[in-house]
Amino acid sequence: QVQLQESGPGLVTPSETLSLTCTVSGASITGEYWSWIRQPPGKGLEWLAYINYSGTTSYNPSLNNRVTISLDTSKNQFSLKLTSVTAADTAVFYCARLRLMSSNPTYHAFDIWGQGTLVTVSS
Amino acid sequence: DIVMTQSPLSLPVTPGEPASISCRSSQSLTRSSGYTYLDWYLQKPGQSPQLLIYLGSNRASGVPDRFSGSGSGTDFTLKISRVEAEDVGVYYCMQMQQSPRTFGQGTKVEIK
Repeated sequence: QVQLQESGPGLVTPSETLSLTCTVSGASITGEYWSWIRQPPGKGLEWLAYINYSGTTSYNPSLNNRVTISLDTSKNQFSLKLTSVTAADTAVFYCARLRLMSSNPTYHAFDIWGQGTLVTVSS
Repeated sequence: DIVMTQSPLSLPVTPGEPASISCRSSQSLTRSSGYTYLDWYLQKPGQSPQLLIYLGSNRASGVPDRFSGSGSGTDFTLKISRVEAEDVGVYYCMQMQQSPRTFGQGTKVEIK
C-alpha cells in the first residue's frame, strides 16, 4: 500500500524559504511522477510542481520562479522549496503521486495524496 | 492558464436522489484523439482529495459505479446516480490539457 507523508516546519517567517519533504512508502520514487499541491485555508486547490523519475520538472508560473522540486532517491523522498514567502503562501501543502493511468493516450492523474501539512507564514 | 468554472458552488442533496455538478473550461480539453483531459476529485471533510474520474469518464480504482463523468470540449458533468451520506464533501474538476494544471473552485455537496 502506497503512502505519502509530508514533513517540515509548520511556521515560516516572511521572506524566508519554506522547505517540505514527502516520504514515500510502498513504492519507489524512481518509477513514477511526483507533485506538490497546496490549499490555502478555506480555499481551493493549486498545483505547484511535479518531477518525474528522470528529474524532469514542471512548475506553475504563478509562483514566479520561487519554487523548486527535487528527488532524493536514496531516501525515497521528494522535496519542495518555496523562497521569499509571504502570508499569501499560508496553506495546507499536499504531496501526491502522479500515476500513469493510461499508456494510450499517455495520461497521469493524482491517485495518492499525503494527509497534508499546514504551513503558516508569520513573524 | 485554463480557467475552470464549476456550478453550483453549493449543492444540497437528498440521499437516494441523483446529483449533478457542472464544470466548464475556458479552452477545449478534448484533443483530436477524442480523449478529454479532465479529472474529478472529491475532498471529504477533514481529508485529502481523492481521485474519482480521469480522462473525463474513467472511474478510478475502487470508485463506486454510481459516479460517472461525461462531456467534451469545454462542458463537463459529474453525476451521482443515487447520493449516499458518504458522498458529502467538496468536488473539484481539474484540467490536464496543459500546464499549469488548474482546478475548479469546488462544489460543496451536503445532505439536506
